[in-house]
Amino acid sequence: SYEVTQPPSVSVSPGQTASITCSGDKLGGKYACWYQQKPGQSPVLVIYQDTKRPSGIPERFSGSKSGNTATLTISGTQAMDEADYYCQAWDSSTAFYVFGTGTKVTVL
Amino acid sequence: QVQLVESGGGVVQPGRSLRLSCAASGFTFSHYGMHWVRQAPGKGLEWVAAISYDGSKKYYADSVKGRFTISKDNSKNTLSLQMNSLRTEDAAVYYCTKWGDGMDVWGQGTTVTVSS
Repeated sequence: SYEVTQPPSVSVSPGQTASITCSGDKLGGKYACWYQQKPGQSPVLVIYQDTKRPSGIPERFSGSKSGNTATLTISGTQAMDEADYYCQAWDSSTAFYVFGTGTKVTVL
Repeated sequence: QVQLVESGGGVVQPGRSLRLSCAASGFTFSHYGMHWVRQAPGKGLEWVAAISYDGSKKYYADSVKGRFTISKDNSKNTLSLQMNSLRTEDAAVYYCTKWGDGMDVWGQGTTVTVSS
C-alpha cells in the first residue's frame, strides 16, 4: 500500500521555526494538505492545495512542496501550536486520499 | 454555524454490524462531497470512505471495501456509514468530514469498540 512518511517528532523553542516534512513517491503529482490535532480534539485543516491557508488560520502557518516532498512551516512557534500534525496526499480524480504517519510537535 | 455531529458508535462483537450517522448543518450539504476518517486508539488518521456531492460516486479504503457502505441523504442532510462484518481492527473513533479541497470541517467523532 502507498505510504506517506513524516518524522515522528519535531521539537522547537518558542518563537523559533518548526518545519515538518511529508514524503511520498507520488506526492509530486498530488495535492497536499495539513491538519493539526490537539489532544482529545478533532483535527483542524491548516493548509490545503499545498500552500493555501483557510480563513482563521494564523499566518505563521505556511506550506510548500518541492518534488515529492511537502513541508509545513510554523514560524514564530507558540506554545499553543504543540500538537500532532498530519499531512494528506490527495487526488480526487482517482479517489486517492492518504494520510501521512503524523508528527508530534513539542514546544520546549 | 457549520457543524457535523456523528452518532451511532458503541460496543459490538466481532462479525456484527453497526451503522454510523452524521447530521450536517450550516452549509448546503447537497453541494459537497463527504468523507469518513477513523483513528484507532493512540494511532494516526486513516481515510475510510468518500462519497460525491450527489451520492453517485463512492470510494473505499482497501481495508473496508466490501464490508462498509457509505451513503448520503441530501433531503435529510445526513451522511451514513453501514459497517458489516466488523473486526477488532475496526475499533476507532470515526469522524465525519466535509470535503472542500481538504477536509475543512470535522465532527467530534463517535467511538466504535469491537470486542467479544
